[in-house]
Amino acid sequence: EIVLTQSPGTLSLSPGERATLSCRASQSVSSSYLAWYQQKPGQAPRLLIYGASSRATGIPDRFSGSGSGTDFTLTISRLEPEDFAVYYCQQYGSSQTFGQGTKVEIK
Amino acid sequence: QLQLQESGPGLVKPSETLSLTCTVSGGSISSSSYYWGWIRQPPGKGLEWIGSIYYSGSTYYNPSLKSRVTISVDMSKNQFSLKLSSVTAADTAVYYCASQYCTNGVCYFDYWGQGTLVTVSS
Repeated sequence: EIVLTQSPGTLSLSPGERATLSCRASQSVSSSYLAWYQQKPGQAPRLLIYGASSRATGIPDRFSGSGSGTDFTLTISRLEPEDFAVYYCQQYGSSQTFGQGTKVEIK
Repeated sequence: QLQLQESGPGLVKPSETLSLTCTVSGGSISSSSYYWGWIRQPPGKGLEWIGSIYYSGSTYYNPSLKSRVTISVDMSKNQFSLKLSSVTAADTAVYYCASQYCTNGVCYFDYWGQGTLVTVSS
């Protein structure tokens, strides 16, 4: 099973700042099968990024994804108030797994 | 746009079987581009994939749950279902059903149900 490790666990930032979230895989993941989701309290996760770098429909361009192999990154260029949430990476390939999540909180 | 809705008991006794159904609307469960999955989230914790099914009936399970999980599909009702046997308190979680779009070399969960909390307690 591929283990996805996200860092940091919590990111404390102010609106307008840049957020950089990391997702590291225990073995190589096809970029095609790496996705990022956003989850707010009491809500289901929402797809942000698929194929490591493609934005889902309706996702603002301040969200971007990059990476390959074992290292992937989600970047939020300028945090808006609605972006404070928990973010998960997920791989589809060797079974399916999610990272443990990174919480982006208001500083 | 697909819509998914979970249904089933919110309370299950230890050692019994948890049963949930997901009703799909806005599209056909027999779409060749989609798998249909179950994901759970214990209170205050992260997401765990339980398993997925294709309309043909092919199933894919999380190895850690495989011995207790059965996922099935009912195309006549546009539904798919989850059964998890021999539950314990560790199976208490919000259970989500989701559509997984897999085609053209990509695969991702694009639509999710609102989730249903299942508590395992006597």
